[in-house]
Amino acid sequence: IQLTQSPSSLSASVGDRVTITCRASQDISSYLAWYQQKPGKAPKLLIYAAFTLQSGVPSRFSGSGSGTDFTLTISSLQPEDLATYYCQQVNSYPLTFGGGTKVEIK
Amino acid sequence: EVQLLESGGGLIQPGGSLRLSCAASGFTFSSYSMAWVRQAPGKGLEWVSSISKNGDTIHYADSVKGRFTISRDNSKNTLSLQMNSLRAEDTAVYYCAECQSACLWGRFDYWGQGTLVTVSS
Repeated sequence: IQLTQSPSSLSASVGDRVTITCRASQDISSYLAWYQQKPGKAPKLLIYAAFTLQSGVPSRFSGSGSGTDFTLTISSLQPEDLATYYCQQVNSYPLTFGGGTKVEIK
Repeated sequence: EVQLLESGGGLIQPGGSLRLSCAASGFTFSSYSMAWVRQAPGKGLEWVSSISKNGDTIHYADSVKGRFTISRDNSKNTLSLQMNSLRAEDTAVYYCAECQSACLWGRFDYWGQGTLVTVSS
């Protein structure tokens, strides 16, 4: 299953609403997770099962979608959100990740 | 506190072998499935392999099948990845990750800091 993320990069201002999309090549139900990777660090789980917020993750992050189309939204971008974001499908093997979306702060 | 600490990375010549280890602490290791994920320099994430909590179910990415072997020792809280016939394209940071009771339909809750494997002559 291929995951296509868009955009591949974006630049936004603090306080902006940011939306990242992830499209699966076939139906994956709600078996999708989102990860945040800051420069030089390991990935961190943000959202699983398409919309469930991982414990400790700020509520400005949210996920939606099912089937083949998914969205990660940051409601109010903060300076610490500078990172690359990846979606991952866990519906079937081989598990796959999207190509990533690099978020920069204007 | 959950901790995953990878070790064993380094510089290795093409065709060589390397064994990575991941020492787990802060959770009941034997109750969780585990996985390896890698990231080539400047590239995205690539799932490599997963193993069930008792080791009886294993999956590999096609890119490593037949060359890599995942294993675990629940008595020592350790996950391993034996990598043989290494190629330049295996150069990456390798992360171990805990993925709940099953990686399939699950989530990768915790990740180690990674260990760098460089395959070059």
